[in-house]
Amino acid sequence: AQTVTQSQPEMSVQEAETVTLSCTYDTSESDYYLFWYKQPPSRQMILVIRQEAYKQQNATENRFSVNFQKAAKSFSLKISDSQLGDAAMYFCAYRGYSGYALNFGKGTSLLVTP
Amino acid sequence: KAGVTQTPRYLIKTRGQQVTLSCSPISGHRSVSWYQQTPGQGLQFLFEYFSETQRNKGNFPGRFSGRQFSNSRSEMNVSTLELGDSALYLCASSLGGQGAISPLHFGNGTRLTVT
Repeated sequence: AQTVTQSQPEMSVQEAETVTLSCTYDTSESDYYLFWYKQPPSRQMILVIRQEAYKQQNATENRFSVNFQKAAKSFSLKISDSQLGDAAMYFCAYRGYSGYALNFGKGTSLLVTP
Repeated sequence: KAGVTQTPRYLIKTRGQQVTLSCSPISGHRSVSWYQQTPGQGLQFLFEYFSETQRNKGNFPGRFSGRQFSNSRSEMNVSTLELGDSALYLCASSLGGQGAISPLHFGNGTRLTVT
């Protein structure tokens, strides 16, 4: 089974600064998808960014970007110009190419300070 | 477009009882997935339905079951509740295709407390 590891239970960043959240995964598949989801106190999981493993180019969505290292099985999320509204739990998730289920990491709690 | 709707938002049940949770997907979405979220185990996949058929099932006991109706709405049932079933249950919908072209959209969840 694929496992997803987020080694940072908590992270803190000052407003307007940049923070990077780490994620590693274990898989024997060559094609798969990776996601970062955000869960604010409202509990709703919100898709932040996604990456197809067959694409070498790192995905970017406004202030959010990833550093995808396929050989190292690493998928980190960089948040630039952090805002107070970015404070939330962030989950890294893996989905096999032909799969329907997401395998989630344990999450990283991000605190944004003024 | 309305998002994924889960009802109820909160439930309190007694050990041994059964419970039914409901999920209405985004209009046009034919796939519904269920996840259990607990502080200890994190987010775990329960099952996924597409066009009224269960396509995939996680590693949960048979007390956990679900179904999907012709309008894509889904229900999840847990029988003979145990204290360990206390969790946030999240429903997610998607168009139903495989891969990232069909990302999951989550509801706000149902918080189940078993006493």
